[in-house]
Amino acid sequence: SQTIHQWPATLVQPVGSPLSLECTVEGTSNPNLYWYRQAAGRGLQLLFYSVGIGQISSEVPQNLSASRPQDRQFILSSKKLLLSDSGFYLCAWSPHGDSPLHFGNGTRLTVT
Amino acid sequence: AQSVTQLDSQVPVFEEAPVELRCNYSSSVSVYLFWYVQYPNQGLQLLLKYLSGSTLVKGINGFEAEFNKSQTSFHLRKPSVHISDTAEYFCAVSGGYQKVTFGTGTKLQVIP
Repeated sequence: SQTIHQWPATLVQPVGSPLSLECTVEGTSNPNLYWYRQAAGRGLQLLFYSVGIGQISSEVPQNLSASRPQDRQFILSSKKLLLSDSGFYLCAWSPHGDSPLHFGNGTRLTVT
Repeated sequence: AQSVTQLDSQVPVFEEAPVELRCNYSSSVSVYLFWYVQYPNQGLQLLLKYLSGSTLVKGINGFEAEFNKSQTSFHLRKPSVHISDTAEYFCAVSGGYQKVTFGTGTKLQVIP
């Protein structure tokens, strides 16, 4: 069966520090991969999605970036965190674009 | 472009009473519709999905939803709620192009 791993579960980082959140999927190949951010009262905001290795689509201009160095690995990064980057970050995968998403357990990021 | 509107940010309901969580969508193409549930500090879990066929869709935990194309709605219902149904519920739409758009969520509070 397929599983998705996302870590760390919680993270507290100072403003201006770098960020790296990692997500991996097991039990499937060539999944679509997604990064969402959830802020209180704002639902889920799609940040990035990827349909293959090295293929990244950005939905919202910001100081975050994403990379997909391997088929089942998706990384969310920032060179310098802002206070506004605080939130709950969710990684998800699907076998193809119209399938339901399968979510990781999320990372609670607090920028201080 | 596609969008999802969940008008009710919070819905309080007494235990064993029925509940309806409203969802309206807009899309220029044929859509696939989903409801997800999120428990505190966790990722989202799929409740049910509408891809095609019968407009009444049954999901897990006794929930069901009805797709109404003329009203562009996909309301979620349960005839009798339980304390364990307390969670946040998200409606989502996928119109292809690898992207899923979520509503802002409805917090269901079941009162004993």
